[in-house]
Amino acid sequence: SQQGEEDPQALSIQEGENATMNCSYKTSINNLQWYRQNSGRGLVHLILIRSNEREKHSGRLRVTLDTSKKSSSLLITASRAADTASYFCATSRTTDSWGKLQFGAGTQVVVTP
Amino acid sequence: ETGVTQTPRHLVMGMTNKKSLKCEQHLGHNAMYWYKQSAKKPLELMFVYNFKEQTENNSVPSRFSPECPNSSHLFLHLHTLQPEDSALYLCATRGDGTYNEQFFGPGTRLTVL
Repeated sequence: SQQGEEDPQALSIQEGENATMNCSYKTSINNLQWYRQNSGRGLVHLILIRSNEREKHSGRLRVTLDTSKKSSSLLITASRAADTASYFCATSRTTDSWGKLQFGAGTQVVVTP
Repeated sequence: ETGVTQTPRHLVMGMTNKKSLKCEQHLGHNAMYWYKQSAKKPLELMFVYNFKEQTENNSVPSRFSPECPNSSHLFLHLHTLQPEDSALYLCATRGDGTYNEQFFGPGTRLTVL
């Protein structure tokens, strides 16, 4: 089974609202990363949080990490139509070599004007 | 732009054809990856190259053959593919530091008829 699982699978919100999505994983990690993918395009790295960090901010993004619960959340504040995309969490496991990442299936976010 | 380009962006091929996907990076990174992204599934890691050497083959069928002639280029040679191989193929690179983020190209949308 996959290492990262996002929840919910899909999210539809209005512009200006906040969007929250969660990621759960199974094994010990070095870090957890969030990526965004616009339809049919490549992934774009958003933010990386290390296993010894609990919260991180980048612009309108806020990421939390709870290693005891093996979960992370991504919050997008004051969402915009341009935030419409799929969001993926990816974990770098302590057992992985060569910088491998384990991706979840993603949360599809639609922000309507 | 992430500094990683992929060509072609779209490819339609028959099951008996031979084609190649190309990835080029201008970031000076030494780790390069091929991923397969199918609808509603997590990204599947296919191959990992470090310093032009293949360090991982994630049980990929032999009809997919990677090549890394230099640190800036990565190819995926395709032959006798199956319709279920239709997917978005993504190339990614990683800078020095095993636990850094990955930089993705825009992908090649492959359709096998």
